[in-house]
Formats: sequence, C-alpha cells, structure tokens
Amino acid sequence: ETGVTQSPTHLIKTRGQQVTLRCSSQSGHNTVSWYQQALGQGPQFIFQYYREEENGRGNFPPRFSGLQFPNYSSELNVNALELDDSALYLCASSAPPGQAPNEQFFGPGTRLTVL
Amino acid sequence: QKEVEQNSGPLSVPEGAIASLNCTYSDRGSQSFFWYRQYSGKSPELIMSIYSNGDKEDGRFTAQLNKASQYVSLLIRDSQPSDSATYLCAVRRDFGNEKLTFGTGTRLTIIP
Repeated sequence: ETGVTQSPTHLIKTRGQQVTLRCSSQSGHNTVSWYQQALGQGPQFIFQYYREEENGRGNFPPRFSGLQFPNYSSELNVNALELDDSALYLCASSAPPGQAPNEQFFGPGTRLTVL
Repeated sequence: QKEVEQNSGPLSVPEGAIASLNCTYSDRGSQSFFWYRQYSGKSPELIMSIYSNGDKEDGRFTAQLNKASQYVSLLIRDSQPSDSATYLCAVRRDFGNEKLTFGTGTRLTIIP
C-alpha cells in the first residue's frame, strides 16, 4: 500500500459525457501526476501538478484538465468522453520536482469504461 | 522508434531460476530509471530505481544500468510464482521534466 488513494474504483460513462476522477497523495508528498493506461500498454503521462499549478503535460487534448488543491489532493476532468478514453487512470504522488530521489508511487487507479 | 522498448514476452522462467528483463531507451538525456511490477488488474508498484551506471541490488532484485548503451535491465534471482506479473521499465529526464516514460512491459511467468 502506497498511501495514495483514488476514487471511484470503477466508472461507466457514455460518449459525450464528462467525468471527474479524484486522488489523494501520500503523506509528505505535494506533487501529483496523472497517467492513462490502455489495455496492454504502459502508462502514458497526462500531466503533473505541483503547488496547485500544472507542471508539465503530455500529448493529451485540452478536454483533459486537472486541478490540485491546497491539501495536495487532485482531480482529473475529462470532457466530451470518447470510446478511446476507456482505460485505467493512475495517479502518482511524489516529493517536489527536483528533490532526489523523487520516486513516484501509484494509487490503485480508476477503471473508466466509455460506452 | 519507441522511446522505451521492452520485449513484451511472455517470458517463462522455472521456479528458482534467474529471470532477466531488458529495456532500451532512446533519449540520451534520461537520468533516472525505474522498474515497476504490475499484477493483472492492479496498479504499478515500484520495485527498483537506479540513477548511475552499474548494478544496484535489493534483496532478490538487481537493476543494471549502462547509459552509454542506453540499456537498463532487471534480474530476479530465485524466481518465485509470486513474481509472475508484468514488469514495466520507466525513464525520466529530470531537471524540471518529471514525467515518467514507460515501455509496454514484459509479461513474466514463473513456472512451478
């Protein structure tokens, strides 16, 4: 157990809908990264939040957006859901950027199915 | 060329033998390297990190890094059935770029 929590565990949505996923970081960690893992693939970086601001973004469209709150928890919002958005969404927490060793620890993930 | 390449497997190894997992990466600016274990239906679990050339040992696991060859490997000694999982290699540039870039993973099966 890493101490990183995510909710909900599973979610089923239909195309065009919007979804919000939540993550609470491990104690002592103030940086949260989000990844998307499609079946049979490695996780793909969506974005990272540090000090409530986006600190790097992967190749995902603007309909993927996020927030970080003062208690370091974070949300991932996806608008206008598409079938290809079906995946395991992973949240990882870590120490501040640049602070060695700065390993990332994953939560249990949210399995999103878009019908 | 993929940024991080792993043999997808499956790799089958008898119980008690050494399992050898390999990973190559294309970005010479990569500074940090990680191995994650992922059981089916679960999230990735960090098992090893390595930052400098050479070997790093932790229990039954040894990570090996060769930056000149852009190659990182994971050895699992005395393989156990509980080691059966997908092993993900991840690299990171650091210096302000904190994203992990993952390979597609190698599926390892330990045969009792």
